[in-house]
Amino acid sequence: AQKVTQAQTEISVVEKEDVTLDCVYETRDTTYYLFWYKQPPSGELVFLIRRNSFDEQNEISGRYSWNFQKSTSSFNFTITASQVVDSAVYFCALSGHGYALNFGKGTSLLVTP
Amino acid sequence: GAGVSQTPSNKVTEKGKYVELRCDPISGHTALYWYRQSLGQGPEFLIYFQGTGAADDSGLPNDRFFAVRPEGSVSTLKIQRTERGDSAVYLCASRRGVGADTQYFGPGTRLTVL
Repeated sequence: AQKVTQAQTEISVVEKEDVTLDCVYETRDTTYYLFWYKQPPSGELVFLIRRNSFDEQNEISGRYSWNFQKSTSSFNFTITASQVVDSAVYFCALSGHGYALNFGKGTSLLVTP
Repeated sequence: GAGVSQTPSNKVTEKGKYVELRCDPISGHTALYWYRQSLGQGPEFLIYFQGTGAADDSGLPNDRFFAVRPEGSVSTLKIQRTERGDSAVYLCASRRGVGADTQYFGPGTRLTVL
């Protein structure tokens, strides 16, 4: 069985602060894929990143960065210099050989001016 | 359009009624998924189509739920004898090909069963 845990239910930061969203996963598959999606108040899920289990290289995209560590089964997401527009619910998800996504419960991020 | 589209955006129905929710995937995407998202939760998988056939329907909660994709493009999720517990946002996603390409989501249909 696959499981994704996002222990942080809600996070509130002030604009320009850095914030890290945690994601821990469980799977028995040797090949699997990890994702982060953003769900703004409008409701539509927006794809942010995909990682496969063989690629532990960290990635940076603008103010976003991701830290994938197989040893701790974690795939954490950091937003640097947060902005009000980053306010949203962020979901971590896992897929294995079946390709269906298993989502965590999400972390609601509020960035205040 | 460029993205996944879903209709209607909102559907209000009475307990016991039948509803159909439609998903139009990104052109050329062969895989299509349905998920259900309850308030405060992450999306939960319902069913996955590769082409016209349901490759995995293990997420359908019971036999009141059924989905089709007769021509390998548009899909319809059908719910019979709706119950109040079926109220949720139903999300559709499409993926380009086989394998673990990224799934792109539509805006969802908010179903409310009174």
